[in-house]
Amino acid sequence: AQRVTQPEKLLSVFKGAPVELKCNYSYSGSPELFWYVQYSRQRLQLLLRHISRESIKGFTADLNKGETSFHLKKPFAQEEDSAMYYCALSPGTYKYIFGTGTRLKVLA
Amino acid sequence: DTGVSQDPRHKITKRGQNVTFRCDPISEHNRLYWYRQTLGQGPEFLTYFQNEAQLEKSRLLSDRFSAERPKGSFSTLEIQRTEQGDSAMYLCASVLSGRIDEQYFGPGTRLTVT
Repeated sequence: AQRVTQPEKLLSVFKGAPVELKCNYSYSGSPELFWYVQYSRQRLQLLLRHISRESIKGFTADLNKGETSFHLKKPFAQEEDSAMYYCALSPGTYKYIFGTGTRLKVLA
Repeated sequence: DTGVSQDPRHKITKRGQNVTFRCDPISEHNRLYWYRQTLGQGPEFLTYFQNEAQLEKSRLLSDRFSAERPKGSFSTLEIQRTEQGDSAMYLCASVLSGRIDEQYFGPGTRLTVT
């Protein structure tokens, strides 16, 4: 079955500390993977997509097919990074499967 | 164009009543998605349209749920004979095919069934 697992419901880090939000997926093929973010009182929006291999707001994510992971990383957390983060998988059928999300709290 | 809009933003209904939600996507976007999100969960795929064609429905979508996109523009999601378990946030998203597959989400409609 296709599944996205985000093991942490809440992650608290201090400002300036490194951040890693974990995402593991279950899919036998070559998926497209995304990270979406929802800031307080805002809509869900795309943060980054693995195929673009880009860094957005200092965040990067590397697809590890061996470990079936797509962890989101940032070397130095900022208070404005506090938000809900969702990992999502598309198995190539235009359908998207989201994880349960991780709330990131960056403490001053 | 201010993005994807949804109406109403909030709906309170009694169990057994029918409700209909509307989604207006970004005008040139040809794919439209409906999701349901409950507390502590991520968005759960319900169905999606390519223009006016409904191409996939989740197996979780019971017969009480129906969605339409009559002219390939706005879409409606109807829930008949609502149940308390239908209480959730209903999200709509649109995508321009051929682009980066970035989904643009609406603000959602929060449904409360009493």
